[in-house]
Amino acid sequence: DQQVKQNSPSLSVQEGRISILNCDYTNSMFDYFLWYKKYPAEGPTFLISISSIKDKNEDGRFTVFLNKSAKHLSLHIVPSQPGDSAVYFCAASGQGTSYGKLTFGQGTILTVHP
Amino acid sequence: DAGVIQSPRHEVTEMGQEVTLRCKPISGHDYLFWYRQTMMRGLELLIYFNNNVPIDDSGMPEDRFSAKMPNASFSTLKIQPSEPRDSAVYFCASRDGQTSTEAFFGQGTRLTVV
Repeated sequence: DQQVKQNSPSLSVQEGRISILNCDYTNSMFDYFLWYKKYPAEGPTFLISISSIKDKNEDGRFTVFLNKSAKHLSLHIVPSQPGDSAVYFCAASGQGTSYGKLTFGQGTILTVHP
Repeated sequence: DAGVIQSPRHEVTEMGQEVTLRCKPISGHDYLFWYRQTMMRGLELLIYFNNNVPIDDSGMPEDRFSAKMPNASFSTLKIQPSEPRDSAVYFCASRDGQTSTEAFFGQGTRLTVV
């Protein structure tokens, strides 16, 4: 039962363009969402998050959008840079049985071409 | 703080052998998580602890897997006996439940069972 899904295994983007990574969730008890970035041979590192009381959070080139009615969130990277090439994981946390833990998606491999 | 420390970084073992993975969380963090990364399922939560007490072990694949947290600064994940399908990267993460939903990850242990 995959409660957090990233349906695109990979994404390829030209440098300077926008990268849009998508994530869907099924558990309505989730109320906090995070994006992590992972380079090879390293652990995931936190990138940006959003609470369910907001629909947008911005940090520099990174913006996360949340559509609660659609149970969908997305990460926008503008402009994309070659150093952004990594695996991006969407994660969710919430109340009830989800309290305290992060549930991750499968990840999306982003490749930014120079 | 040095961050979450995992050992060993790489482990190669023969099928049937016992494997023990180790984790030192960030000092002061009251949550500790064990995740397994696979291509198909991304980051799977195996088990997590709060204040050294196991809270949810529903992600542990089977009885061959066990985890302990004897004190606030140390945790182990043991596989006995190991099987080739256990080959994956295992991550430990910790979180300060009072101040943050963000979890900090170690660099992972790449396990290969031959």
